[in-house]
Amino acid sequence: DAKTTQPTSMDCAEGRAANLPCNHSTISGNEYVYWYRQIHSQGPQYIIHGLKNNETNEMASLIITEDRKSSTLILPHATLRDTAVYYCIVRPMNSGGYQKVTFGTGTKLQVIP
Amino acid sequence: SAVISQKPSRDICQRGTSLTIQCQVDSQVTMMFWYRQQPGQSLTLIATANQGSEATYESGFVIDKFPISRPNLTFSTLTVSNMSPEDSSIYLCSVVGREGPDTGELFFGEGSRLTVL
Repeated sequence: DAKTTQPTSMDCAEGRAANLPCNHSTISGNEYVYWYRQIHSQGPQYIIHGLKNNETNEMASLIITEDRKSSTLILPHATLRDTAVYYCIVRPMNSGGYQKVTFGTGTKLQVIP
Repeated sequence: SAVISQKPSRDICQRGTSLTIQCQVDSQVTMMFWYRQQPGQSLTLIATANQGSEATYESGFVIDKFPISRPNLTFSTLTVSNMSPEDSSIYLCSVVGREGPDTGELFFGEGSRLTVL
């Protein structure tokens, strides 16, 4: 898996948009960008993924740069329950083979009242 | 999505003993993954467990220390053998939500928090 770089921590005011950046400059053409989060004492939770187009779901939006070397996860209206560690991961398209996923250190997002 | 149940959710164990963690999934999945999360750290993949074959271990993890069973498509166990305080971690079971091209989001159990005294 390509490596990713994320800030160690970020703060965001409750109700504001949280923008979490991720650099993946060595990403390959067949690799997706995935985002997960881990709320304290829980298992990681899948948020969203994308290949090259921007994606949006009920949880978040994912903006991928045109060169695909970086991306931003956007939580449009952060709440206290969004306080968690957010992991950005790149992994190959599922070819039916081995699907190892490597987690980096992630970004600890603290939503402040 | 897949619903994953792990047992035990937490345990306190004595040095030198072994503990088996169970992972039950509500649907049939080909691959299951076991992760370890040491205190304050990120997740580290221990092994991939395919039904009907030997588990594939990552560098630094061996079968004698972390034997894995995968008797069917919905169940797996991870045993932490001859435990030492360094094995105190959260152990997480994970599966791929959908299988096939253009898929691959992982779903995780809530984890099993082991404390070794």
